[in-house]
Amino acid sequence: SQTIHQWPATLVQPVGSPLSLECTVEGTSNPNLYWYRQAAGRGLQLLFYSVGIGQISSEVPQNLSASRPQDRQFILSSKKLLLSDSGFYLCAWSAYDRVRLPIYFGEGSWLTVV
Amino acid sequence: ELKVEQNPLFLSMQEGKNYTIYCNYSTTSDRLYWYRQDPGKSLESLFVLLSNGAVKQEGRLMASLDTKARLSTLHITAAVHDLSATYFCAVDTDDKIIFGKGTRLHILP
Repeated sequence: SQTIHQWPATLVQPVGSPLSLECTVEGTSNPNLYWYRQAAGRGLQLLFYSVGIGQISSEVPQNLSASRPQDRQFILSSKKLLLSDSGFYLCAWSAYDRVRLPIYFGEGSWLTVV
Repeated sequence: ELKVEQNPLFLSMQEGKNYTIYCNYSTTSDRLYWYRQDPGKSLESLFVLLSNGAVKQEGRLMASLDTKARLSTLHITAAVHDLSATYFCAVDTDDKIIFGKGTRLHILP
């Protein structure tokens, strides 16, 4: 069966510091990968999605970036965090054709920028 | 730009009552998903709707999809406290999946 791992689960970072959130998927090949952000009490905002290694689409211009160095690895980064980057970050995957499957989410990473 | 609108955004209801959450979207799609999120947790998949007229039921929840009207509904029958959560619909189009803002459901005993 497929599983998705995301880490770290929580982190508190000062303004201006860098960020790296990692996500890996097991049990599938060539998944579509996603990063979403959820501000406190709000809906989900799609940040990045990837349909293959090195293929990243950005939905929202901001100081975040994403990379996909391996087929089942997705990384969310920032060089300098802003207060507004605080939120709940969710990595997700779906089968490349998504014929029968929805997207599945990792456990999430709580980021507080202070 | 694809827009996904849920209503209501907040719903407080008593146990035993029935209610419906609506999800409207702005572009052609025949794939729609419903998720549940408990406070402080990630999202859990509830239903996958893959064609016009699709209906899925699980316990007291039933979801349907009308692709011509670009509308999905999540119906709650005889609500119980355990169903208190935030419910999201998500529309799948091309390579992107866009979520509604969620409906926060609070069921009173």
